Amino acid sequence: QVQLVESGGGVVQPGKSLRLSCEASGFIFSTYAMHWVRQAPGKGLQWVAVVSHDGDNEYYADSVKGRFTISRDNSKNTLYLQLDSLRGEDTAVYFCARARHLGVYYSGDYWGQGTLVTVSA
Amino acid sequence: QSALTQPASVSASPGQSITISCTGTSGDIGGFNYVSWYQQHPGKAPTLLFYDVNTRQPETPHRFSAAKSGNTASLIISGLQTDDEADYYCASFTYVNTWVFGGGTKLTVL
Repeated sequence: QVQLVESGGGVVQPGKSLRLSCEASGFIFSTYAMHWVRQAPGKGLQWVAVVSHDGDNEYYADSVKGRFTISRDNSKNTLYLQLDSLRGEDTAVYFCARARHLGVYYSGDYWGQGTLVTVSA
Repeated sequence: QSALTQPASVSASPGQSITISCTGTSGDIGGFNYVSWYQQHPGKAPTLLFYDVNTRQPETPHRFSAAKSGNTASLIISGLQTDDEADYYCASFTYVNTWVFGGGTKLTVL
């Protein structure tokens, strides 16, 4: 069965960096685009970024463009999100989600349980 | 990349029907048939209900339906059950190859 397990969250100071990982299993990882979506405490879902199945194309929400980097290692079945120059408003649970197929225009069907990032001095 | 507009909350009694609207622009909902709907129970990850406007996931009950007209998408739930009480989110692909979610609608089944 499809499984997505996020890790790497924690408490970090403003301006610092963090790298999140999402380990995938139960499907052919290299044939699916992948998303990151976040949810601030008590708030709604906010789309963060998507990467195509081969890693050649990546797109970002304006709020994180230039600070966050999405990437993947298909040999390790793992998706990453590098978070740099973190701000308080980046505090959220970060979910990875499998797109329904290889293109970035496919929405997420399976989601992980999320990893909490808290940005605080 | 403004969020899609959803009502903050809706409520109804068991057995009744409700509609949740999701309004965007010609750059997202109106321009593509890539609208999805998600259900999220407290403390859980979202689950996909519909994609491509009205294509139902296998696990989605047939009491749920979805549609789109112009820049507005809709989720309709009939025969409400207490387990339907959750947050519901719409999402759309956009003309700049990004995705945007609605603000979410809290459904209360009285």
